[in-house]
Amino acid sequence: QVQLVQSGAEVKKPGSSVKVSCKASGGTFTKFAISWVRQAPGQGLEYVGRIITIIDVTDYAPKFQGRVTITADKSTSTSYMELSGLTSEDTAIFYCAEDAGISWGQGTLVTVSS
Amino acid sequence: EIVLTQSPGTLSLSPGARATLSCRASQSVSSHYLAWYQQKPGQAPRLLIYGTSTRASGIPDRFSGSGSGTDFTLTISRLESEDFAVYYCQQSGSSPWTFGQGTKVEIK
Repeated sequence: QVQLVQSGAEVKKPGSSVKVSCKASGGTFTKFAISWVRQAPGQGLEYVGRIITIIDVTDYAPKFQGRVTITADKSTSTSYMELSGLTSEDTAIFYCAEDAGISWGQGTLVTVSS
Repeated sequence: EIVLTQSPGTLSLSPGARATLSCRASQSVSSHYLAWYQQKPGQAPRLLIYGTSTRASGIPDRFSGSGSGTDFTLTISRLESEDFAVYYCQQSGSSPWTFGQGTKVEIK
């Protein structure tokens, strides 16, 4: 089973960008896609987007289109999610997940505060 | 985008009771692409059911899923203490993927 390990918590200023990593192990990176999900404090799950790693094709939720970039580095089996134009409403835990939903990262807390 | 509406928002039940959670879609969802997740405080979501009715590996058989088209159901036949949590449905058949807002199952 694939294990996903995410980078640590981040504190960012409004208007800045954040880049979160998700490193996969225990499986063939190019055999699955990686999705990213946001969860604001006390709120539900929100799909951000995904990348099909073998062909580097991305799909983004309209809400985040233009502000999010998801990439994959096959050499290190790592996916990255970069979100720009941060506001306080982006304060949330960001999760990566293997596409079938079986394996999830531990989550990365992003706090946006002046 | 397909909107998933879960009901009820909160379900207050006693251990041993049967729980029935509903997920209604704004458009038809292929049964192959409807999943259910469980989430406990401070933890990542855990896949319970995929393809509407297939239990993920290691999921007890007290969890079952059913439905088609726009109406889907997760049933927990007899609640155990570890089942009190928040449950989300998700569709992955149409971009963007979407989640329901969640149903909290709490101890009565």
